[in-house]
Amino acid sequence: QQQVKQSPQSLIVQKGGISIINCAYENTAFDYFPWYQQFPGKGPALLIAIRPDVSEKKEGRFTISFNKSAKQFSLHIMDSQPGDSATYFCAASIRHNFNKFYFGSGTKLNVKP
Amino acid sequence: ETGVTQSPTHLIKTRGQQVTLRCSSQSGHNTVSWYQQALGQGPQFIFQYYREEENGRGNFPPRFSGLQFPNYSSELNVNALELDDSALYLCASSLARSGGGYTFGSGTRLTVV
Repeated sequence: QQQVKQSPQSLIVQKGGISIINCAYENTAFDYFPWYQQFPGKGPALLIAIRPDVSEKKEGRFTISFNKSAKQFSLHIMDSQPGDSATYFCAASIRHNFNKFYFGSGTKLNVKP
Repeated sequence: ETGVTQSPTHLIKTRGQQVTLRCSSQSGHNTVSWYQQALGQGPQFIFQYYREEENGRGNFPPRFSGLQFPNYSSELNVNALELDDSALYLCASSLARSGGGYTFGSGTRLTVV
């Protein structure tokens, strides 16, 4: 049973466009939702994270939108650049627990010049 | 401040053999988690170590075992290797109860033939 469902599986965006990746979860006990960026041959790197007491968090060109009632959250990459081409994973965890992360299946983003 | 380092980077083993993977945690981090990432999938939680004790375990059989040392470094041992064990094994360190994200290493690519 997949705890976090991610879509789309792959995404092609033109340079300067907006990339949007969506995730949905079932467990209402989750209270920490990070996004990770992974380049080929590297481990995932924390990009941005949100807690469920806010509906949006922005860091530079990256924004997380969070809808607690719908149990959904999404990553928006504004002004997408070719250097953003990577695989993106959403994740969820219960912080007061031992902080085990449940990852989505990943979205491979290709930003075309 | 050093990041998370893993060794070896690549490894080829024969079915039925045993393997040990190593991880040095980021300076200041006292918790180490291990994840298995199959090709094209998100990371799956194997287990976590805190204060040299297993602090949580995912849905992996007992032939997956680990250790954490007083300097917070860790080992992942897999016995009786199966073809399906071929994957990228990721080590991630964090500070216990900080509620934050992990710092991942670049992983060990294990191929079982």
